[in-house]
Amino acid sequence: QVQLQQWGAGLLKPSETLSLTCAVYGGSLSNYYWSWIRQTPGKGLEWIGEINHSGRTNYNPSLKSRVSISVDTSKNQFTLDLRSVTAADTAVYYCARGGSTPMVLVYWGQGTRVTVSS
Amino acid sequence: QSALTQPPSASGSPGQSVTISCTGTSRDVGGYDYVTWYQQYPGKAPKLIIYEVTKRPSGVPNRFSGSKSGNTASLTVSGLQAEDEADYYCSSYAASNNLVFGGGTKLTVL
Repeated sequence: QVQLQQWGAGLLKPSETLSLTCAVYGGSLSNYYWSWIRQTPGKGLEWIGEINHSGRTNYNPSLKSRVSISVDTSKNQFTLDLRSVTAADTAVYYCARGGSTPMVLVYWGQGTRVTVSS
Repeated sequence: QSALTQPPSASGSPGQSVTISCTGTSRDVGGYDYVTWYQQYPGKAPKLIIYEVTKRPSGVPNRFSGSKSGNTASLTVSGLQAEDEADYYCSSYAASNNLVFGGGTKLTVL
């Protein structure tokens, strides 16, 4: 059974960089895309972007200028960096594994609550 | 404001059927058969219940079914049970390798 365990700083100041890492257990990074999604009370779920094991990425156009997703196959992990955060980036962030169908999120991490406040 | 439109709430009595709609455009829901539905309980991560419009992952009860007509997809929950009370989100593949979500529907079992 695939499990995703995520971690990262939960409190940031405006203009800082949000960085979260997701470790994959029970499977390798190969053959799937790995996504980051966030959830806010006001906007619901928002897809941030995805990466595959070779580093190919797709990003949400609305966040593309501030987002980088990277992969470390030696550690079976992938990482989200979101630059220049503001209060609007306050959310619960999830990592997830795709399926054989594009953009289907089969396995999810436990979620990390990130607050941006001065 | 979410890209896909869902009703904020829906409700039904135990044993009844409820349908939740998800309306997009020809660039997402109407353009691809990649509509997905997720169920989410408070404080938990979403769980996949329908993919590719109509398909159910192993372990998801057949009380859950999906359909699509034009730019609107629907999730039907038949034979409502108390455990079905949750938030439901639709998503769709969108043009240029993008993924869009609906705003979510809170299903209440009366």
